[in-house]
Amino acid sequence: GIQVEQSPPDLILQEGANSTLRCNFSDSVNNLQWFHQNPWGQLINLFYIPSGTKQNGRLSATTVATERYSLLYISSSQTTDSGVYFCALMEYGNKLVFGAGTILRVKS
Amino acid sequence: GAVVSQHPSWVICKSGTSVKIECRSLDFQATTMFWYRQFPKQSLMLMATSNEGSKATYEQGVEKDKFLINHASLTLSTLTVTSAHPEDSSFYICSARDRSGRPLWEQYFGPGTRLTVT
Repeated sequence: GIQVEQSPPDLILQEGANSTLRCNFSDSVNNLQWFHQNPWGQLINLFYIPSGTKQNGRLSATTVATERYSLLYISSSQTTDSGVYFCALMEYGNKLVFGAGTILRVKS
Repeated sequence: GAVVSQHPSWVICKSGTSVKIECRSLDFQATTMFWYRQFPKQSLMLMATSNEGSKATYEQGVEKDKFLINHASLTLSTLTVTSAHPEDSSFYICSARDRSGRPLWEQYFGPGTRLTVT
């Protein structure tokens, strides 16, 4: 099956700092998503980004499918950005395979 | 729109008892619902996929007799953990796919249920 690796595993930022999270994947699939899991456990889809670049406010994501990686950029981080960021890809049977996640803590 | 609820949000049960977790799509009909399990500081692992009116498909290593899934209607799926043991303690998350022609990649996630077995 698809292998999904995320880095870094943990990240501590001062409020206002920028960061880049990385997701490497093993197969040339074109259905990558980024999710944010808040401290209470709720997952929210941030981006569906099979290729190219998308932006949504302070967040943007870029996927280079031919090189099997995706990047999530967080600019001017806020304490509300804290939580776990997952990338995930869809495998056969429409099954989502998640990476191990990046735990982000933004300090005020 | 596209809200998924779970009930209860947390539950504590004694070892050997069974506990049922409900997953509801509140404002759409869900063709397919998914059940995930998440241990502390770990990723989500898919347990099973359920389609309305048919038997659930379980992932390798998931005991179907222990984790009973019922998807009796287009808005409700239930997960019953039978004869629970402390190692079943985990965060259980469901997600649902809207049947009304939404893209296949789109899933809506419930808020999760934290199960503690004592």
